Order: sequence, then structure tokens, then C-alpha cells
Amino acid sequence: RKEVEQDPGPFNVPEGATVAFNCTYSNSASQSFFWYRQDCRKEPKLLMSVYSSGNEDGRFTAQLNRASQYISLLIRDSKLSDSATYLCVVNKRTGTASKLTFGTGTRLQVTL
Amino acid sequence: DAGITQSPRYKITETGRQVTLMCHQTWSHSYMFWYRQDLGHGLRLIYYSAAADITDKGEVPDGYVVSRSKTENFPLTLESATRSQTSVYFCASSELLTGPGNTIYFGEGSWLTVV
Repeated sequence: RKEVEQDPGPFNVPEGATVAFNCTYSNSASQSFFWYRQDCRKEPKLLMSVYSSGNEDGRFTAQLNRASQYISLLIRDSKLSDSATYLCVVNKRTGTASKLTFGTGTRLQVTL
Repeated sequence: DAGITQSPRYKITETGRQVTLMCHQTWSHSYMFWYRQDLGHGLRLIYYSAAADITDKGEVPDGYVVSRSKTENFPLTLESATRSQTSVYFCASSELLTGPGNTIYFGEGSWLTVV
């Protein structure tokens, strides 16, 4: 089983739609969680950190469910510019070391 | 603000050749990383460095060598390139070891093809 699993998609949604992605992680000792966005042939960029209480940034809402070991990303009112691959990232600290594990990403295509 | 830059951006090399990918950051971040990204695998850590002269292996270090004589540079060398090392390579840096709110910044990537 992969440490971080995501549905690869693609999710094809019309502009204005609401879309949600889930990501599951296998290591219960994981401590911090992130969503990164990666455009085609570009580098990943941090979209948002995911906090236990859930957090919102404009049209984007991230949630963490430690009991079920998943994180989610909700995008409201989708824009064409939201088309990208969304990477789930999980961090586990072991002593002074830290291990970031990236999911393979979920591709979103927003259409007119 | 140049941020983090990689060179070359695109490289085609032959099997068995030595290749060095350069990475330079202008933020004086302590931590630097090399990842490779392949279809179906996501980003995988090759090597990382916590400071100048301190490097450590990541998930897939075999066939790669790194050095960090200066804080701002973190070159990655493929000692004898193989076809399986055809990939996109991303260099990254961060001020701290990751935690909530901290950000890893990635370079634009180096597309390497080994023929």
C-alpha cells in the first residue's frame, strides 16, 4: 500500500462547479499535511497547509480527518485557472529528521 | 528575486555519461532537496541537505552523488547515467524542516533524457 494515495482523475468539471479531492495516508504518526498545486510542466507550489481544525483560503477549503487518516480539498466556484494537478503531501518527523511523502496527484480539468 | 534556479533546464545525454544538474538558491535557506518525478510515482526524494557540508540520502539515492560546499548551491551528479534515470528533476529549498505553515520552494525543474 502506498504511503499517500490519491485518485489520479482526471476530474472534469464545468466552470462554477464545486469539486472535492480526498487523499489517504497510511502512517498514523504523520504530523503535518499540505496541498500543493502543479501546473503542466511546471514546479509544484504550496496551495495550503492543512490544519486539524480545517482551514479555508478563499474558494479552497482543506480538512483533516486523523481518525480515518485522510485529508480533503474542496474547491468552490471552479475557475478555468484551477485546472492543474493537486498533490497531497504528508510530513512525518522522526527525531530531528523529517520525511515528506508526496502523492501522485489528482488532475483537475475545469471546462467552459 | 531569483529564488531557486536550476540548470540545465533540458538535457539529453548518453548512457554511461556523467551529468551534473546545478541548483542555486538566493534565500540562504538551510535545507535543500533533490526530487525526481516520474509518472505513477509522484515526487521521490533523492538526497537532501540540512546545511553546508551536511547531506543525507533520501528514498532513491542509488546512482546519484551530491555535494554542498556552499549554502546556496546543491549540485546533483549522475555518475554514470542510465535510461532509468530519465526523469524530471526538481531542486527545492526551505528555511526550516517542514511543519505547518512552512513552505518548500521548488525550482522549475530539469528535464533529463538518457538515450
